Amino acid sequence: GENVEQHPSTLSVQEGDSAVIKCTYSDSASNYFPWYKQELGKGPQLIIDIRSNVGEKKDQRIAVTLNKTAKHFSLHITETQPEDSAVYFCAASTGMIKAAGNKLTFGGGTRVLVKP
Amino acid sequence: DGGITQSPKYLFRKEGQNVTLSCEQNLNHDAMYWYRQDPGQGLRLIYYSQIVNDFQKGDIAEGYSVSREKKESFPLTVTSAQKNPTAFYLCASGRGRGQPQHFGDGTRLSIL
Repeated sequence: GENVEQHPSTLSVQEGDSAVIKCTYSDSASNYFPWYKQELGKGPQLIIDIRSNVGEKKDQRIAVTLNKTAKHFSLHITETQPEDSAVYFCAASTGMIKAAGNKLTFGGGTRVLVKP
Repeated sequence: DGGITQSPKYLFRKEGQNVTLSCEQNLNHDAMYWYRQDPGQGLRLIYYSQIVNDFQKGDIAEGYSVSREKKESFPLTVTSAQKNPTAFYLCASGRGRGQPQHFGDGTRLSIL
């Protein structure tokens, strides 16, 4: 089955700096890669996603890049703010393949702390 | 507002007891999912359902059961066979294959 590795497990940045989180996946058939932000005591919130036919996607201060050859994808947060402090999860899915159904495999999470 | 509602927010289980966690969505999504989250870890899939009256086991289904009698509801029962049930349980829904999943705010289950 799919395996998703996420690094680093914790990340501390100064307000205004950039934060980068990296994930690798094992199944070359994976074609959908969402990123979630989870605040304490809450469920994960989708912040951005990318499909395998796209190399990069940007939404304001957040961007995701995908390298299918190397089987890794990254989340970039620019001009970080204290409200960006949370746990971030990457995930991968072979959602378009019938046998895999709708399964998302999640990375282990990155705890991001933005220091004022 | 459209969304996913999980209840209760906190739940306590006695030894040998089955407990049921509720998940309701009004997003008209076909697919629903249950995940378990342990402290400092990622999400692991327990069960998922792509359509009413059908569901599949995820990666850690032992000790859990589900039903999908209505499109908007996907309750999870934690049975006494689940020896380590203390965790944060998250329900999600989505339009289908390869589509984003949207999460509820979870139920925290503890052992008395």
